[in-house]
Amino acid sequence: DIVMTQSPDSLAVSLGERATINCKSSQSVLYSSNNKNYLAWYQQKPGQPPKLLIYWASTRESGVPDRFSGSGSGTDFTLTISSLQAEDVAVYYCQQYYIIPPLTFGGGTKVEIK
Amino acid sequence: EVQLLESGGGLVQPGGSLRLSCAASGFTFSAYAMSWVRQAPGKGLEWVSSISGNGGNTYYADSVKGRFTISRDNSKNTLYLQMNSLRAEDTALYYCAKTSGKDYYFDFWGQGTLVTVSS
Repeated sequence: DIVMTQSPDSLAVSLGERATINCKSSQSVLYSSNNKNYLAWYQQKPGQPPKLLIYWASTRESGVPDRFSGSGSGTDFTLTISSLQAEDVAVYYCQQYYIIPPLTFGGGTKVEIK
Repeated sequence: EVQLLESGGGLVQPGGSLRLSCAASGFTFSAYAMSWVRQAPGKGLEWVSSISGNGGNTYYADSVKGRFTISRDNSKNTLYLQMNSLRAEDTALYYCAKTSGKDYYFDFWGQGTLVTVSS
């Protein structure tokens, strides 16, 4: 199984400041034949289902604000919120879809306002 | 507009059974793999099971293999999860999730249905 490890578990960032969340996979999720990283990011606000933010490690889902960006390759990935807004308070999860079964999620990172 | 509406959750005793349903609309249901993902109270996301668009391929987490069965009825645009031999650790909010297509990331999620296993 591919284990996904997120860090930190939580972070508090001032409004307008940058938030950075890391995700590390136990093996590469880069498929060499198409040069794609099989890595997605989700946002889950309290009392709501998760929402897709990023797929292929760096492709923003339609409608997602451009302050959200994904980067990284192989085993190390980052979700960046360039200028934190109040509505970005949520838990963020990474997920690998390189191997099924099982699909695996990171443990989540809680983002709060400082 | 994509809609996923889960139902069938509730309180069940350990060892009991439940069948969850997910009614889908707003997209060509048979063209997309579908999945169940659960979230225990206050915990993170755990993938449970997936099924291909035509139902020919099914996948399970080790934690539910042999106890849960995923299926779909493409004529009714409905996804199912038959859960047998339920355990306390199966207590969770169960989400129905639509995949993007042949790649297993989830571009739309339902609101979830709560399953509580307790005596």
